[in-house]
Amino acid sequence: SQTIHQWPATLVQPVGSPLSLECTVEGTSNPNLYWYRQAAGRGLQLLFYSVGIGQISSEVPQNLSASRPQDRQFILSSKKLLLSDSGFYLCAWSVSGRDNEQFFGPGTRLTVL
Amino acid sequence: KNQVEQSPQSLIILEGKNCTLQCNYTVSPFSNLRWYKQDTGRGPVSLTIMTFSENTKSNGRYTATLDADTKQSSLHITASQLSDSASYICVVRYGGATNKLIFGTGTLLAVQP
Repeated sequence: SQTIHQWPATLVQPVGSPLSLECTVEGTSNPNLYWYRQAAGRGLQLLFYSVGIGQISSEVPQNLSASRPQDRQFILSSKKLLLSDSGFYLCAWSVSGRDNEQFFGPGTRLTVL
Repeated sequence: KNQVEQSPQSLIILEGKNCTLQCNYTVSPFSNLRWYKQDTGRGPVSLTIMTFSENTKSNGRYTATLDADTKQSSLHITASQLSDSASYICVVRYGGATNKLIFGTGTLLAVQP
C-alpha cells in the first residue's frame, strides 16, 4: 500500500530564517506530487506541483521554492521566511492521469514569529 | 471566475442527528467533484467522487448529491457520531486544459454529545 510522510509535524521559525519541509511517498513510482498551503479560514492553495524528477511548476509567485531530487521526494524551501508564510502545509500525491484522486500527507504546521 | 463556495461555514449538531452541507460551484468546464473530510491538524481524506452523470453516491453514513444543472452538491450525514467532527471540503476538478482542483473553504462540523 502507498503511504505519504511529511516532516516535521510542527515548526516554529523566526522571520528571516530558512525553511525546508520534506515529503516522501512510498509504495508507488512516478507519482504526481503537490505542495499546498492552508491558511486559517481559507481553502487549500496549490503552491507547486511536479510530474517528474526535476520538473516543478509554480502556481503562485511567492517566497517559496520546491524541488524534486528523487522520484518520491518533494521538498519545500525558503531562504528567508516571512510572517505571511505561516500556515498548514500539505503534501499530496496522485497517480499520473487527469482525474485521479490526490492523497494527502499529515501536514506540517508552520508558525513564523 | 472558477469558484467553489460552501455553506454553512460552521455547524454544531447533537450526536445522532442528521445534517446536510452545501456546495455551490461556478467551475466550467466541470470534470468531477469530491468531498473530503479533514480532521483537525490532519490531511484531507476523500469521501466520495461524483462525475457529471452521477446524481447520488453513498459511502456509509455519508451521501453526496450532485445537480450539474444548478451546479450544486450536498453532503448528507446520517446519525452523526462524535468522530464526524471535522472540516468537510468540497473540491471541484476543472475540466479544461490545466486540470486544476478548485477547493472550497470547508464547513467545520462539531458533533456534541
